[in-house]
Amino acid sequence: GAVVSQHPSWVICKSGTSVKIECRSLDFQATTMFWYRQFPKQSLMLMATSNEGSKATYEQGVEKDKFLINHASLTLSTLTVTSAHPEDSSFYICSAPDRGKSYEQYFGPGTRLTVT
Amino acid sequence: AQSVTQPDIHITVSEGASLELRCNYSYGATPYLFWYVQSPGQGLQLLLKYFSGDTLVQGIKGFEAEFKRSQSSFNLRKPSVHWSDAAEYFCAVGARDDKIIFGKGTRLHILP
Repeated sequence: GAVVSQHPSWVICKSGTSVKIECRSLDFQATTMFWYRQFPKQSLMLMATSNEGSKATYEQGVEKDKFLINHASLTLSTLTVTSAHPEDSSFYICSAPDRGKSYEQYFGPGTRLTVT
Repeated sequence: AQSVTQPDIHITVSEGASLELRCNYSYGATPYLFWYVQSPGQGLQLLLKYFSGDTLVQGIKGFEAEFKRSQSSFNLRKPSVHWSDAAEYFCAVGARDDKIIFGKGTRLHILP
């Protein structure tokens, strides 16, 4: 099946710095990708929809200036957590639907972010 | 709005016993339904999905789920659990614009 990768798998950064997370579709093109955040022992919460060649759309309550999303190509979306704070520490997961298979969606392995 | 309810936060069963995890959804049209499993610190693995057709869906690892429109349910079952099945299980519904909405999850504990 299709594969979605994320890089890095884990990252530690200092409070106030920014960190970028990459999400790649390895063997299919993804005009749309989704970013989720998962706090410990909680469910996945959809943060935003990343659209290739256009602005991302954010779910209610998600700060678009804090979580910058860039979908510059059909296989790559990036999430940048700007001015990170300890409360941003979380597991970030991306997903991408394979439009050739309606509603078949593929998830990346996740990125563990720890802000100290 | 679409939503998914998993009424059981924790479930404990003995190894070898049968398992049923409950899931109810709210969706205006025919839903696309999924069950995912997540081991600690890991990503999601798709167990099975329902798009249309036969309401009894077979998945990986011996899991199955039954779509019941009249009850708005999509319960996950396994006839005999193994210790390796201990994990977090998420039911999800495919919403508009390819979005997937997750339930809060059920943590499965296995007694030896």
